[in-house]
Amino acid sequence: GNSVTQMEGPVTLSEEAFLTINCTYTATGYPSLFWYVQYPGEGLQLLLKATKADDKGSNKGFEATYRKETTSFHLEKGSVQVSDSAVYFCALSPGERGSTLGRLYFGRGTQLTVWP
Amino acid sequence: DTAVSQTPKYLVTQMGNDKSIKCEQNLGHDTMYWYKQDSKKFLKIMFSYNNKELIINETVPNRFSPKSPDKAHLNLHINSLELGDSAVYFCASSRGTMGYGYTFGSGTRLTVV
Repeated sequence: GNSVTQMEGPVTLSEEAFLTINCTYTATGYPSLFWYVQYPGEGLQLLLKATKADDKGSNKGFEATYRKETTSFHLEKGSVQVSDSAVYFCALSPGERGSTLGRLYFGRGTQLTVWP
Repeated sequence: DTAVSQTPKYLVTQMGNDKSIKCEQNLGHDTMYWYKQDSKKFLKIMFSYNNKELIINETVPNRFSPKSPDKAHLNLHINSLELGDSAVYFCASSRGTMGYGYTFGSGTRLTVV
């Protein structure tokens, strides 16, 4: 089946610290992978994506590399800011039709808090 | 100009009432979704429509009924509201159904008292 497992939070960091949020997946077919971010009181926003193995998605200083051999898509940022405080969701879209058509499978979310 | 807009943003209502949440997207997307987010931030898909056709209908109580009058609109009607229905409901849309990712609305916080 299709599922996403991401590290449990909360994650608390000081400003300028290095961030890693782990995400692993199981999937049938060849999925696309996403990171979404949810700021307090808002909906989810697409942060970055990768559609095939070895692709690197990047945006706003965040990066994630689609690793098929380890079925992982870890989110990293070299220097976090207070404004990065949010909930981060890893997600996959199955690369096949049938019963999974149109479905995004989300991880449970990781709360990140950055202190000044 | 909001891409996916939901109304209302907040909804407080009594148990047993019937309520609707509306969603509209101006992105020209073919597919729309309803997700429920619980207090622990867990997201669960409820329904999906592609070009007005229901393609995902998860195991939700039949008190929940989606309606898509056209591909730009997807509404959610809830009958006989219960305390456990309290959550944030998100509408989303996507271009196609294969790995294009979603654009989310800002959510409707439903509180049943």
